[in-house]
Amino acid sequence: AQSVTQPDIHITVSEGASLELRCNYSYGATPYLFWYVQSPGQGLQLLLKYFSGDTLVQGIKGFEAEFKRSQSSFNLRKPSVHWSDAAEYFCAVGPTDSWGKLQFGAGTQVVVTP
Amino acid sequence: DTEVTQTPKHLVMGMTNKKSLKCEQHMGHRAMYWYKQKAKKPPELMFVYSYEKLSINESVPSRFSPECPNSSLLNLHLHALQPEDSALYLCASSRPLAGSTDTQYFGPGTRLTVL
Repeated sequence: AQSVTQPDIHITVSEGASLELRCNYSYGATPYLFWYVQSPGQGLQLLLKYFSGDTLVQGIKGFEAEFKRSQSSFNLRKPSVHWSDAAEYFCAVGPTDSWGKLQFGAGTQVVVTP
Repeated sequence: DTEVTQTPKHLVMGMTNKKSLKCEQHMGHRAMYWYKQKAKKPPELMFVYSYEKLSINESVPSRFSPECPNSSLLNLHLHALQPEDSALYLCASSRPLAGSTDTQYFGPGTRLTVL
């Protein structure tokens, strides 16, 4: 069965520290991969996506993600967190060989402390 | 420009009311989506329109009625809702690539409260 797992429901990080959010997927073939961020009461904003090519993907707001086929993972990283990065982060996958819906992970809530 | 707009931002309605949510995009996308999101949960797909035709209905109750009057607009008509329908309703759009997924761009959502 297809699934997307974000193992960490909640992460607390100090401002200026590094952040890594985990995403693992179970899929028939390598899917298209996305990271979205949602601030409280807001819509989802696309941070970055992986379709093919270089497995290290750069996104907006200083985020990057690395696709590792052998581990079925697409982890999101930021070297130095800002207070404005406090939000909910969703990993999502979509099929590459058919037009289908996105499957979202459960989300990881990031809290940034001073 | 990757903007999807939604109105109203907030909506409070009684269980006997009829109201509509509106979504608009001017990116030339021909696929548009409605999602429902409860607190602390990921979005759940409700409907998908492709080239102004309904292509996916995720077994949504008939009290939710979508409409796509043209390639830029998507409406969600609400009637006789229940309190459990209170949620954030998100609209998204994308190019409807044949045989593949494409990036979905989301609007800011409408916060719906059903009394």
